[in-house]
Amino acid sequence: DVKVTQSSRYLVKRTGEKVFLECVQDMDHENMFWYRQDPGLGLRLIYFSYDVKMKEKGDIPEGYSVSREKKERFSLILESASTNQTSMYLCASRRRQVNNEQFFGPGTRLTVL
Amino acid sequence: AQSVTQPDIHITVSEGASLELRCNYSYGATPYLFWYVQSPGQGLQLLLKYFSGDTLVQGIKGFEAEFKRSQSSFNLRKPSVHWSDAAEYFCAVGGAGGGADGLTFGKGTHLIIQP
Repeated sequence: DVKVTQSSRYLVKRTGEKVFLECVQDMDHENMFWYRQDPGLGLRLIYFSYDVKMKEKGDIPEGYSVSREKKERFSLILESASTNQTSMYLCASRRRQVNNEQFFGPGTRLTVL
Repeated sequence: AQSVTQPDIHITVSEGASLELRCNYSYGATPYLFWYVQSPGQGLQLLLKYFSGDTLVQGIKGFEAEFKRSQSSFNLRKPSVHWSDAAEYFCAVGGAGGGADGLTFGKGTHLIIQP
């Protein structure tokens, strides 16, 4: 089974803090994704990565950056957290060229005070 | 641009009754279609997927979905729901997954099960 893990299930940070959300997958997938999920808005793509050191902006990249130094790990960075970044963050991975099926982690619920 | 519409934000069904969740999509080529389920506080779990072939696909937990190209629909069904089916359901569409295309998700349908 594919396993996607996220470093924290719940996180509370203060406005202005730098926040790191970590995601690790164990199936050697090339592609990885970060989404945020908000009530009534569904999932919205923040960033995705084709492969190591490669990244592309998704639909809502403002206020976020990402890092992919190793194939199995994809980090989402909030340089200066703001209250409107309070949300559920979901990481996903998929094997390139195969069916577009994405495998999701359990999510990190981030609260910015 | 691709899009997914789930017209029902909330649906309430009695335990043991049948269920149909609606999904309409817009996609310029042959779509790859997915239904995911999310239990409270959890990530997304794949219920079923359609890539090609038989338009009626079977998934886990007794769910099935039918692809209707003429109606641009991919509705999810279950003949008899259980209380454990209470969750958020997401329909998603994408392409072959070979390049920049990710998945586009609907906004979700919240399923409530009445005893």
